[in-house]
Amino acid sequence: EDQVTQSPEALRLQEGESSSLNCSYTVSGLRGLFWYRQDPGKGPEFLFTLYSAGEEKEKERLKATLTKKESFLHITAPKPEDSATYLCAAGVDGGSQGNLIFGKGTKLSVKP
Amino acid sequence: DTEVTQTPKHLVMGMTNKKSLKCEQHMGHRAMYWYKQKAKKPPELMFVYSYEKLSINESVPSRFSPECPNSSLLNLHLHALQPEDSALYLCASSQDERSADTQYFGPGTRLTVL
Repeated sequence: EDQVTQSPEALRLQEGESSSLNCSYTVSGLRGLFWYRQDPGKGPEFLFTLYSAGEEKEKERLKATLTKKESFLHITAPKPEDSATYLCAAGVDGGSQGNLIFGKGTKLSVKP
Repeated sequence: DTEVTQTPKHLVMGMTNKKSLKCEQHMGHRAMYWYKQKAKKPPELMFVYSYEKLSINESVPSRFSPECPNSSLLNLHLHALQPEDSALYLCASSQDERSADTQYFGPGTRLTVL
C-alpha cells in the first residue's frame, strides 16, 4: 500500500536554530513529491515540487531535497513567521489520477 | 499568478439548508478538485473534474453535489448536511489531472453545520 510518513509530528525551534523535516515514502511509482505550508484555518500554500532523486529546490530559508526513499525540508535560521504545519504529498503511478497521498504533517513552532 | 479563490470564507448552516461553495481559477488549469479537511488531519479528496467532466468521486455522500459550469469555475452544492460534515473545504486546481502536476489550493471555506 502506498504510504507517506512525516516526522517529527511537532518540532519546536528557537529563532535561528536550523533543522530538517522528514518525509519518507513507500509508493509504487513516484511521479512527483510536493511540499506545502499550511497556516491554521487556511488552505495549503505550495512550496516545492520534486520529481527525481538528487533534485534540490530552494526558496528563501527553505530547501527541499529528494532521495529514492525520502524527502527533506531544511529550514535555515528560521524566524517566528515560519511557524506553520508543513505537509508533504506524493503523486504516484497507478493511483486515482490526481489523488495525492498526504503525510500527516509536521507542526513547526519557532520561538523568538 | 497561482491564485485560486473561494467564497464564502465562512458558512454556518442548519441541517435543512441548501447552500453552495464557489471556487474560481484563472490559470488556464484543466483539472479542479474539492477536498475536505478536518482539524489536524491532511486534506481528503472528494471530487476531481477534468476538462469540465467529473472524473473521480471518492464515494462522497449524495448530500454533496459538485458542478463545473466552465473551465474556471467549480461549485459544491450542499443539502441536508450533518454536523459531522463541519470542516474546512478546499478547492484546488492543476494544469492537468496527471499525478505529476502541482495542485494549487484556495484559502478554503470553513463550514459549520448546526
